[in-house]
Amino acid sequence: DTAVSQTPKYLVTQMGNDKSIKCEQNLGHDTMYWYKQDSKKFLKIMFSYNNKELIINETVPNRFSPKSPDKAHLNLHINSLELGDSAVYFCASSQGARVNTEAFFGQGTRLTVV
Amino acid sequence: GEDVEQSLFLSVREGDSSVINCTYTDSSSTYLYWYKQEPGAGLQLLTYIFSNMDMKQDQRLTVLLNKKDKHLSLRIADTQTGDSAIYFCAESQRGSARQLTFGSGTQLTVLP
Repeated sequence: DTAVSQTPKYLVTQMGNDKSIKCEQNLGHDTMYWYKQDSKKFLKIMFSYNNKELIINETVPNRFSPKSPDKAHLNLHINSLELGDSAVYFCASSQGARVNTEAFFGQGTRLTVV
Repeated sequence: GEDVEQSLFLSVREGDSSVINCTYTDSSSTYLYWYKQEPGAGLQLLTYIFSNMDMKQDQRLTVLLNKKDKHLSLRIADTQTGDSAIYFCAESQRGSARQLTFGSGTQLTVLP
């Protein structure tokens, strides 16, 4: 009964491919997020989404797109993968966007583009 | 833009106190956070402090905030081997996870 789960945990793929990372939360939260952790361990927000609003970090390439089939899922699609996309991607969720309520994070997906 | 900085590594002996430091640049930060990341795991929120506070204590954890110097620290008393992890400082201007800015993380190694 993991609160926020991501699949796969590891993903190795070739440049130019299209891939998806799935995220599910069973906490009943209404807001979900994707963060990217680069090689220097910096975590940067990519998207936040609830059923009303998608907020995109303007620095995220449009090859990245979030897809939410329902409130409990926020998947990350990446088209035309590049070497620089190699990173650990974290999904998170919270109730509302205020973060004095805790944001719960998944265990991360390590993406390696070769 | 916002910037949060931390030293990359810290080693302490088991039983000693650990102090992890963080500096941030955004004076409008309203919430400051400490997250813990164990190997292969997601980030776990340890504690947070509102910007009008200067100290918060929670069991072995003490957070100190010097708002004038924009300096945040996390003290772990009686550090145990299970405390070995990466600790992330983060700040948010409006108390929103949409605007969390994380530091690079400090790798804490606890030596026996």
